[in-house]
Amino acid sequence: RKEVEQDPGPFNVPEGATVAFNCTYSNSASQSFFWYRQDCRKEPKLLMSVYSSGNEDGRFTAQLNRASQYISLLIRDSKLSDSATYLCGSGTGGFKTIFGAGTRLFVKA
Amino acid sequence: DAGVIQSPRHEVTEMGQEVTLRCKPISGHNSLFWYRQTMMRGLELLIYFNNNVPIDDSGMPEDRFSAKMPNASFSTLKIQPSEPRDSAVYFCASSPLTGGSYNEQFFGPGTRLTVL
Repeated sequence: RKEVEQDPGPFNVPEGATVAFNCTYSNSASQSFFWYRQDCRKEPKLLMSVYSSGNEDGRFTAQLNRASQYISLLIRDSKLSDSATYLCGSGTGGFKTIFGAGTRLFVKA
Repeated sequence: DAGVIQSPRHEVTEMGQEVTLRCKPISGHNSLFWYRQTMMRGLELLIYFNNNVPIDDSGMPEDRFSAKMPNASFSTLKIQPSEPRDSAVYFCASSPLTGGSYNEQFFGPGTRLTVL
């Protein structure tokens, strides 16, 4: 079993829709959690860190569920520009982050 | 700041040849990471350095792969000899590691390697 697992998708949604991704992690010692966004043929870039209390940044909301060992990303009012691959990552303390294989999102007009 | 710089951006080589990938981290960042990304396996951590010292190389696939960081502003990933299954995008990332658990990694543009 991979340490971090994601549904590869693709998720195909219309503009304006709300879409949610989940990501599960197997290492109960994980302390830090992230969502990165990767556009086609580009490098990953940090979208959000995921804190225990959950956090929101505009249309994006991230949640952490330690009991069930998953993190989620909710995107409201999807835009065409949200089309990308979303990578979740978990770290065990400062240095090492293990990434999932990514979830592809296509937002269509 | 120019961000993380990687070279070359594209490399096409023949099986058996030596390949050297280069990375210049963001100035002031004290951690550096090498990743490999393929469709089949996703983004895999190969090795990371903290203050130029290799901390964890458990992701290096085999002895054909080696990485060095001779100073704070330069790192190399070498594959010798290369094989077709090494074809992938190789990313270098750096992080300031401020001491807490949440340390953003800044990725370079990647090197797209094709081994024929």
